Amino acid sequence: EPEVTQTPSHQVTQMGQEVILRCVPISNHLYFYWYRQILGQKVEFLVSFYNNEISEKSEIFDDQFSVERPDGSNFTLKIRSTKLEDSAMYFCASSEARDSPLHFGNGTRLTVT
Amino acid sequence: RKEVEQDPGPFNVPEGATVAFNCTYSNSASQSFFWYRQDCRKEPKLLMSVYSSGNEDGRFTAQLNRASQYISLLIRDSKLSDSATYLCVVASNNNDMRFGAGTRLTVKP
Repeated sequence: EPEVTQTPSHQVTQMGQEVILRCVPISNHLYFYWYRQILGQKVEFLVSFYNNEISEKSEIFDDQFSVERPDGSNFTLKIRSTKLEDSAMYFCASSEARDSPLHFGNGTRLTVT
Repeated sequence: RKEVEQDPGPFNVPEGATVAFNCTYSNSASQSFFWYRQDCRKEPKLLMSVYSSGNEDGRFTAQLNRASQYISLLIRDSKLSDSATYLCVVASNNNDMRFGAGTRLTVKP
């Protein structure tokens, strides 16, 4: 069964550094998402992406964050100047259509020290 | 009012019990509804979609009540392996998915 893959599985970075989280969505999916989950808290929507542009973003997704689909397969989340409170699990997801179920990657655990 | 609200639990039930979770949503225009399960420190995984007429998948039954804006999940004959957090997911205005905080279930021998 095709799956969403994310790398790295764990990223440790120092406060103020930039990180790039990578995702390879399922190949025939058209909608891509990033979510985050702070330990012990709910899954929070960050951003959705379709047709090479952001379709919606949450309040969390401020100027510190950006997304990109640099080629036909990768979907990246960049966090500039990381803060301690950015420490969380970041999940990438993709779906075939707008109202189709999301398929999640295994997540990247980001630890900012 | 939160977009998607769930009873946080925890629910602690014995094996074989029947347990039900409810979830309410605020956007009356929501069109798509799902239940996901999430194991500790893992990604959410789709359990089932929720259809207007209600649907069943083995021991799991999902119901949608549009008038009252809630969905439910019923688990019959619960197994130890059902222990997880169950997430209610609702499509927002433009069909982007919003998650409830989850209901934690522990099934005990």
